[in-house]
Amino acid sequence: DTAVSQTPKYLVTQMGNDKSIKCEQNLGHDTMYWYKQDSKKFLKIMFSYNNKELIINETVPNRFSPKSPDKAHLNLHINSLELGDSAVYFCASSQDPGDGYTFGSGTRLTVV
Amino acid sequence: KQEVTQIPAALSVPEGENLVLNCSFTDSAIYNLQWFRQDPGKGLTSLLLIQSSQREQTSGRLNASLDKSSGRSTLYIAASQPGDSATYLCAVPSSGNTPLVFGKGTRLSVIA
Repeated sequence: DTAVSQTPKYLVTQMGNDKSIKCEQNLGHDTMYWYKQDSKKFLKIMFSYNNKELIINETVPNRFSPKSPDKAHLNLHINSLELGDSAVYFCASSQDPGDGYTFGSGTRLTVV
Repeated sequence: KQEVTQIPAALSVPEGENLVLNCSFTDSAIYNLQWFRQDPGKGLTSLLLIQSSQREQTSGRLNASLDKSSGRSTLYIAASQPGDSATYLCAVPSSGNTPLVFGKGTRLSVIA
């Protein structure tokens, strides 16, 4: 039973398209995150949500819009995709106090 | 702003060696520190979580230590095996549910 699950695992799309990535966690955590791992494998925070509320937005272009319908789900919608958006996007969750952060398996987005 | 540095960036060792991976962070006011493993093309697997009040944690052949005052952590891997080959990431949040700040990782290759 996967703790943090993301769909799809792979996404190949053309420039200018709009796409969404979905994330669900069954750990009962209050906080969820989106991270981006670039071509140099560096992981950087994009957004953080706590109980459906946006807590952190790390100067991400407004083409990226996260949505949290409930505390178990955090989706990421990307408008007008650009070549530079190609990366692996990871969803994660945590609980305070708790046992650390749990990551999903990632979504590899390729924009062509 | 918290910054995390991992040294070395890459390491290649023969099977059976004991090895140490280093992680340093600039702001010692951390809540905990987490070590992850990432296999090529895969997600992040949590290896060890050390709370700020702890000095070390052990899991099997892995031992992680934490020295908050000096801003350092080490991950010790005993009797390395080819299956240990992966990228090892160190990460810290500044408080309970703030996003993790990652180092750039140490890419480990264990040669049979």
